[in-house]
Amino acid sequence: DVKVTQSSRYLVKRTGEKVFLECVQDMDHENMFWYRQDPGLGLRLIYFSYDVKMKEKGDIPEGYSVSREKKERFSLILESASTNQTSMYLCASSTPTGDEQYFGPGTRLTVT
Amino acid sequence: GQNIDQPTEMTATEGAIVQINCTYQTSGFNGLFWYQQHAGEAPTFLSYNVLDGLEEKGRFSSFLSRSKGYSYLLLKELQMKDSASYLCAVRDSNYQLIWGAGTKLIIKP
Repeated sequence: DVKVTQSSRYLVKRTGEKVFLECVQDMDHENMFWYRQDPGLGLRLIYFSYDVKMKEKGDIPEGYSVSREKKERFSLILESASTNQTSMYLCASSTPTGDEQYFGPGTRLTVT
Repeated sequence: GQNIDQPTEMTATEGAIVQINCTYQTSGFNGLFWYQQHAGEAPTFLSYNVLDGLEEKGRFSSFLSRSKGYSYLLLKELQMKDSASYLCAVRDSNYQLIWGAGTKLIIKP
């Protein structure tokens, strides 16, 4: 059974803190993605990666960075959290053809 | 710009049929996806259309018309567990997914 896991379901951080969101997949997928999901908006792509050590900016990369040191792990980093980064963060993975993305359960991040 | 439109919310009755529409304007087209997302959970894949026509999968069917930039998801014999948000997404010329905001489907007994 395919599985994408995320390090936390709920997270509360203070403004200015450095925040790490971890995502691990066990399907040996090349592609991994980080999205944020806000009410009334579609999923918005923050960063994605097609291979280890590779990263590409999505539609809203400002205020975020990523790290992919191992194929199965893709980390999202908020260098200095701000209140407008309060959101649901979803990680996904897929094969190179990308016909289906498999999502993790999400991390609901609140920045106070 | 790129745009995916779908209704914000729909209500239907248990046992009935409901059709959720999605219209799109994107730079290129490499397939359209439907995902289901229950409240507080991750989206899960439902269907994929790249050619015009109807794809049937059990109680769920998805239709695509590329010339009209239009798709719909048809749910038959509705069950209470079908209460969820349904997300439409289009893969553009760069093979990136453009997502609609989702349609919240409420099923009443």
